[in-house]
Amino acid sequence: GENVEQHPSTLSVQEGDSAVIKCTYSDSASNYFPWYKQELGKGPQLIIDIRSNVGEKKDQRIAVTLNKTAKHFSLHITETQPEDSAVYFCAASFAGGTSYGKLTFGQGTILTVHP
Amino acid sequence: EAGVVQSPRYKIIEKKQPVAFWCNPISGHNTLYWYLQNLGQGPELLIRYENEEAVDDSQLPKDRFSAERLKGVDSTLKIQPAELGDSAVYLCASSPLIAGETQYFGPGTRLLVL
Repeated sequence: GENVEQHPSTLSVQEGDSAVIKCTYSDSASNYFPWYKQELGKGPQLIIDIRSNVGEKKDQRIAVTLNKTAKHFSLHITETQPEDSAVYFCAASFAGGTSYGKLTFGQGTILTVHP
Repeated sequence: EAGVVQSPRYKIIEKKQPVAFWCNPISGHNTLYWYLQNLGQGPELLIRYENEEAVDDSQLPKDRFSAERLKGVDSTLKIQPAELGDSAVYLCASSPLIAGETQYFGPGTRLLVL
């Protein structure tokens, strides 16, 4: 099955700096890569996603890049703000029979943005 | 549009007791998922429904866990009997398409087994 590794496990930045979180996946058939933000006591919230036919996607201060050859994808947050502090999860899914749509999550990154 | 609704939000029970969690997906979403999230880890899929059919329950511990989605709308996840190791957050998610990829999560039910 799919395996997703996420790094770093914790990330501390100053307000206004950029933050980068990286993930690698094992199954070359994976073709959908979402990123979720989870605040304390809440469920994961989708913040951005990318599909395998696109190399980069941007939404205001958030961007995701995908390198299918190397099987890794990254989340980039620019001009970080204290409200960006949360746990971020990457995930990957693949199509194939009854497993279609099954998300495999990384271990999470605790991002802390200091004012 | 209302999000995924889950209840209860918190549950404390003693081991060997039964417990049930309820989920109401976003209106019109055909696919419903139950995930388990242990502390400090990412969610892990337990079961996926397309309408009322369980199409992927390979990760569900069937000796003590059961789920149902009558009428293809809301769903219930049950544990009987609960064990200490079942303490975790149980998340429900839904997506708008059959075998859809974009999943929207509810707030979760935090279970503590004493």
